[in-house]
Amino acid sequence: DTAVSQTPKYLVTQMGNDKSIKCEQNLGHDTMYWYKQDSKKFLKIMFSYNNKELIINETVPNRFSPKSPDKAHLNLHINSLELGDSAVYFCASSPRDSSYEQYFGPGTRLTVT
Amino acid sequence: AQTVTQSQPEMSVQEAETVTLSCTYDTSESDYYLFWYKQPPSRQMILVIRQEAYKQQNATENRFSVNFQKAAKSFSLKISDSQLGDAAMYFCAYRSALRAQKLVFGQGTRLTINP
Repeated sequence: DTAVSQTPKYLVTQMGNDKSIKCEQNLGHDTMYWYKQDSKKFLKIMFSYNNKELIINETVPNRFSPKSPDKAHLNLHINSLELGDSAVYFCASSPRDSSYEQYFGPGTRLTVT
Repeated sequence: AQTVTQSQPEMSVQEAETVTLSCTYDTSESDYYLFWYKQPPSRQMILVIRQEAYKQQNATENRFSVNFQKAAKSFSLKISDSQLGDAAMYFCAYRSALRAQKLVFGQGTRLTINP
């Protein structure tokens, strides 16, 4: 029973392409997130959605566009990929209450060549 | 804005020994939550332990315990009886109870267990 799943787990693409990463959670959580982990392992929030509504957008280039078709899904679309977009992208979910932990997906390693 | 600092990029410990990982944070809020996450080579993020700021008692989960010093804004993780499976990156994280619910992470500490 996978709680938070992401597809694909690995993505290799060329500069200038457009790609999407999909995330699904079966925990019934209200809130979902995208985090980026760079080559130095630093993790930083990108977006957060609560019940399909965007609540956090952290100075992310507008080439990145999250989409939440329903509260169980949060997809990340990236236009015109750049070398600097190479990273591991994590999806996470949690109940709305801040006291609860966030449950992370397995991550998607994006490599832009 | 809240910040989290882990000043030890790397730590190593002998198997069965005890090791302490340091974390400090900066916030003006009084109500928040602190977490330690473990990231093994599989890269899966796994919650190790959680602490509520309003609780004075330090959290404990089996071999893992924290030393939470609210006034000093310090939140260290102690791992007792270290096992080979404890080898991983460890991240300290802060989450506000009041505002947006994002996790703010420290830079991470890579823990090596020597057999």
